[in-house]
Amino acid sequence: DAGVIQSPRHEVTEMGQEVTLRCKPISGHDYLFWYRQTMMRGLELLIYFNNNVPIDDSGMPEDRFSAKMPNASFSTLKIQPSEPRDSAVYFCASSLGRRNQPQHFGDGTRLSIL
Amino acid sequence: GENVEQHPSTLSVQEGDSAVIKCTYSDSASNYFPWYKQELGKGPQLIIDIRSNVGEKKDQRIAVTLNKTAKHFSLHITETQPEDSAVYFCAASADDMRFGAGTRLTVKP
Repeated sequence: DAGVIQSPRHEVTEMGQEVTLRCKPISGHDYLFWYRQTMMRGLELLIYFNNNVPIDDSGMPEDRFSAKMPNASFSTLKIQPSEPRDSAVYFCASSLGRRNQPQHFGDGTRLSIL
Repeated sequence: GENVEQHPSTLSVQEGDSAVIKCTYSDSASNYFPWYKQELGKGPQLIIDIRSNVGEKKDQRIAVTLNKTAKHFSLHITETQPEDSAVYFCAASADDMRFGAGTRLTVKP
């Protein structure tokens, strides 16, 4: 079975550029989560969606970050403009239900902002 | 909100020995506790989970125990192998899922 698919796997870009990360959740899952992972802060929840609707974006660090989920099989996380401190690994996860259900992670996008 | 603490941050064992990772949580409403294994360049992968109506669960060489009164839960890996080397995360779920900071396990051949 296909798991959560993220693209690109690696992204290197210069400060000020727009960055778009993509995610395809597991088919049938109704929750989608975006996380950021750094050595200093560990796994941080940025935003999550239920049935394509953003529910909680309190973890989004700044207005430079935005996320959309136009349909059940696709989500994007956009950073504009990007800054060096945005460098991290970004993970997408999906689950069937939210409470007491496992989240299934993609392999992440390693983002480097120069 | 929930706060999950995980110890130790690093753990090195000899192949064949056992490894134990411990987590504590703060929210008494938490009732689902998954464990994830993250290998280099990969996302966290669920390896075992336990719900609050169960005190222990085992799957081959891995087991989890849960003490709801004390609000702590543990991962036990027996007969460790080099391929068990990875970062392990615990998590606790009430309204939201909160993750521990991770334990880097190294199994030396």
